[in-house]
Amino acid sequence: QSVLTQPPSVSGAPGQRVTISCTGSSSNIGAGYDVHWYQQLPGTAPKLLIYGNSNRPSGVPDRFSGSKSGTSASLAITGLQAEDEADYYCQSYDSSLSGPHVVFGGGTKLTVL
Amino acid sequence: EVQLVESGGGLVQPGGSLRLSCAASGFTFSSYAMHWVRQAPGKGLEYVSAISSNGGSTYYANSVKGRFTISRDNSKNTLYLQMGSLRAEDMAVYYCARHGYSYGLGLDYWGQGTLVTVSS
Repeated sequence: QSVLTQPPSVSGAPGQRVTISCTGSSSNIGAGYDVHWYQQLPGTAPKLLIYGNSNRPSGVPDRFSGSKSGTSASLAITGLQAEDEADYYCQSYDSSLSGPHVVFGGGTKLTVL
Repeated sequence: EVQLVESGGGLVQPGGSLRLSCAASGFTFSSYAMHWVRQAPGKGLEYVSAISSNGGSTYYANSVKGRFTISRDNSKNTLYLQMGSLRAEDMAVYYCARHGYSYGLGLDYWGQGTLVTVSS
């Protein structure tokens, strides 16, 4: 059971907009920690997609956007393309006695219809 | 160009040991915290362990605490994960990843992963 909760799957037709939610708690997202998003294409390693809640690394299309509010965050993909079919993971940090540590969501499989 | 290359994976019997390595290049290795993340077949990402830039601080997921040891050799630009008392549930692809300078930057580079198979 993951610390951050994501829907197992979402789908959309080419050109449509989809969103993926990531729900945490007061000890992680709600504590003010940033949320990052990763894209994992089939058979490949995860790749940083969004960092610091809403920032895109160089080379990531502006069709991808992120937001955060309270204890949740969201990833939005507009103008859906076939190549966007992948697994998406949110990541934040959780407080512990030994200091903040990385936590992941369970992942969301995006299917482009 | 930042590169992270894992090695050391393979087939090991339950209860056995294995040491993974992650060779880093293209950046000042000693300036970055490093992490191990694993992914069981068909499953999601699971955080395993982390180590600070100078090796002075480490973190382990409860699932591996007491069995795995993370370390680094900054003179060799290499990250390690010593795995012991391996169980079937440790079978996964193990990725090393670099963490950006701050919590706001995330795990910005990942290796290609190395597969660990635990089976008799």
